[in-house]
Amino acid sequence: AQSVTQLGSHVSVSEGALVLLRCNYSSSVPPYLFWYVQYPNQGLQLLLKYTSAATLVKGINGFEAEFKKSETSFHLTKPSAHMSDAAEYFCAVSDTGGFKTIFGAGTRLFVKA
Amino acid sequence: DAGVIQSPRHEVTEMGQEVTLRCKPISGHDYLFWYRQTMMRGLELLIYFNNNVPIDDSGMPEDRFSAKMPNASFSTLKIQPSEPRDSAVYFCASSLRVSSGNTIYFGEGSWLTVV
Repeated sequence: AQSVTQLGSHVSVSEGALVLLRCNYSSSVPPYLFWYVQYPNQGLQLLLKYTSAATLVKGINGFEAEFKKSETSFHLTKPSAHMSDAAEYFCAVSDTGGFKTIFGAGTRLFVKA
Repeated sequence: DAGVIQSPRHEVTEMGQEVTLRCKPISGHDYLFWYRQTMMRGLELLIYFNNNVPIDDSGMPEDRFSAKMPNASFSTLKIQPSEPRDSAVYFCASSLRVSSGNTIYFGEGSWLTVV
């Protein structure tokens, strides 16, 4: 069975500071990994995805994530936080068929002025 | 392009009433998903369809919940009878099968309150 664990339900950073949101996965097969973002009162939208083409994946809004098989991790980073980054972020995993995507519990990012 | 369209956006109903949530997926997408989001349980996959056929309904909480997809452009999620613990945001989502990991496109959600 596949699963993801997001470390920290809430993360608070100052504007301009590094953003680091942690995600570890469990999968018996090579996984596809995703980060989605949810702004208030909206559905989730894709930030980036890992599909084995490259271990460092760049997404929208300056976010990137690195796949580390040895650590079973897929942490999300952004060098400099903006106020507009305040949202909830979900890590997700699916199998190679991509039929069923399992989401983590989410991490809410707060950005302080 | 129109995204995934859900209706109603908000619904308040009394316990025991039937609730029907509706979804129009993105045209051409062959997968449709229903998710439920609550503070306590996070985002749960309830059921998904491929080419209008239910593939996995193991996430449907109980027999009070049912979902149908009569054609490629329409799906419903029905709760009968509704209970206060069903209060949640219900998301419909769709995707297109590709070889490099399916991106799921979410609707804006249906906010259900059962009183």
